[in-house]
Amino acid sequence: AQSVTQPDARVTVSEGASLQLRCKYSYSATPYLFWYVQYPRQGLQMLLKYYSGDPVVQGVNGFEAEFSKSDSSFHLRKASVHWSDSAVYFCAVRGQVVGQLTFGSGTRLQVYA
Amino acid sequence: EAAVTQSPRNKVTVTGGNVTLSCRQTNSHNYMYWYRQDTGHGLRLIHYSYGAGNLQIGDVPDGYKATRTTQEDFFLLLELASPSQTSLYFCASSADWESSYEQYFGPGTRLTVL
Repeated sequence: AQSVTQPDARVTVSEGASLQLRCKYSYSATPYLFWYVQYPRQGLQMLLKYYSGDPVVQGVNGFEAEFSKSDSSFHLRKASVHWSDSAVYFCAVRGQVVGQLTFGSGTRLQVYA
Repeated sequence: EAAVTQSPRNKVTVTGGNVTLSCRQTNSHNYMYWYRQDTGHGLRLIHYSYGAGNLQIGDVPDGYKATRTTQEDFFLLLELASPSQTSLYFCASSADWESSYEQYFGPGTRLTVL
């Protein structure tokens, strides 16, 4: 069965610093991978997705992620964070059944001034 | 922009109570989903549907029923609520098989079972 591990429950960075949020996945076939963000008191929104091709994918608001098959990872990065990036970030991988997503436990990002 | 609404936004009930959570999407999406979100677990899929009248079991279905009455409306039913069902519930939708992993989420319903 597929699974996603986000090893960091909380990450704190200063505004303007670079960011990496880690995600490791387990999936038997070619994975479809996603990053979602949840702002306070809101539902989840998709940041970016990877299906195939270039392992570095660009998302909204300056986020990017890099797929590594050898490392089974899909880490999220941003060159310079803003206080408004404070949120919970979820990594997800497609399930065996059409339409199913398996989510990681999430990483809470706190950006301080 | 896909629109998914949920009601109520907050609900408090007692153990053994009967609760219905409602979800509506207005983008003619075929797929709809119910998740629960708990600290340390991320989101876990309860039930989902491919269309009106269709129901599929997710990963954590015990204690929950669901019904898809129309393409727009998907309901989650807790007929004998228990404290373990205290959680934040999200509904989501997606258009079709090709985009079925790009899910659009509602704002959530916080349910407390006393």
